Amino acid sequence: GAGVSQSPSNKVTEKGKDVELRCDPISGHTALYWYRQSLGQGLEFLIYFQGNSAPDKSGLPSDRFSAERTGGSVSTLTIQRTQQEDSAVYLCASSFITGGGTEAFFGQGTRLTVV
Amino acid sequence: SQKIEQNSEALNIQEGKTATLTCNYTNYSPAYLQWYRQDPGRGPVFLLLIRENEKEKRKERLKVTFDTTLKQSLFHITASQPADSATYLCALRMDSSYKLIFGSGTRLLVRP
Repeated sequence: GAGVSQSPSNKVTEKGKDVELRCDPISGHTALYWYRQSLGQGLEFLIYFQGNSAPDKSGLPSDRFSAERTGGSVSTLTIQRTQQEDSAVYLCASSFITGGGTEAFFGQGTRLTVV
Repeated sequence: SQKIEQNSEALNIQEGKTATLTCNYTNYSPAYLQWYRQDPGRGPVFLLLIRENEKEKRKERLKVTFDTTLKQSLFHITASQPADSATYLCALRMDSSYKLIFGSGTRLLVRP
């Protein structure tokens, strides 16, 4: 497809279980971002991948959160031992990095509910 | 500490008026500032980008200003329409990294 695709669109999981969220960025985009958005709140930065550089993991809230990007394309965000406070919408974005333009294209998000 | 502040209270205006939204930041030195629109249940959509050496940028009914001395950006929508009702987010990008940091957004309501 032409846009950023995220799956699943909704995920309900039991507390303590692990979840994997997937992001398919726009083809050719070298930068990929993950954000978390709680109800009525702004976007909380989680992690950023740029080409073959080491990812910027400075926003990951705990060691239960990890992400990888395989082959410079698809990315997976993994949350281990989920807690109720992990409930939020997880948004992925990708960008084609040029000299200055870093317009980010967002997916529709994955709504995670931990019960 | 580093902060990006947008008015958390919704801005409620009459159709046809100009909406002005504010983005203030502290302890950042952004090279670029972007504005996005977010509708309920959707991901943000890019609107405008302004560079640190630009004072003002326009696109159709939208205007963005960037004052690096005041550490503030203003986002204007002229001749507002009910369809402009949404949450508007500002985002900063530093020169040293392509990481995008977002503010919490301001909700705009345009009454018909």
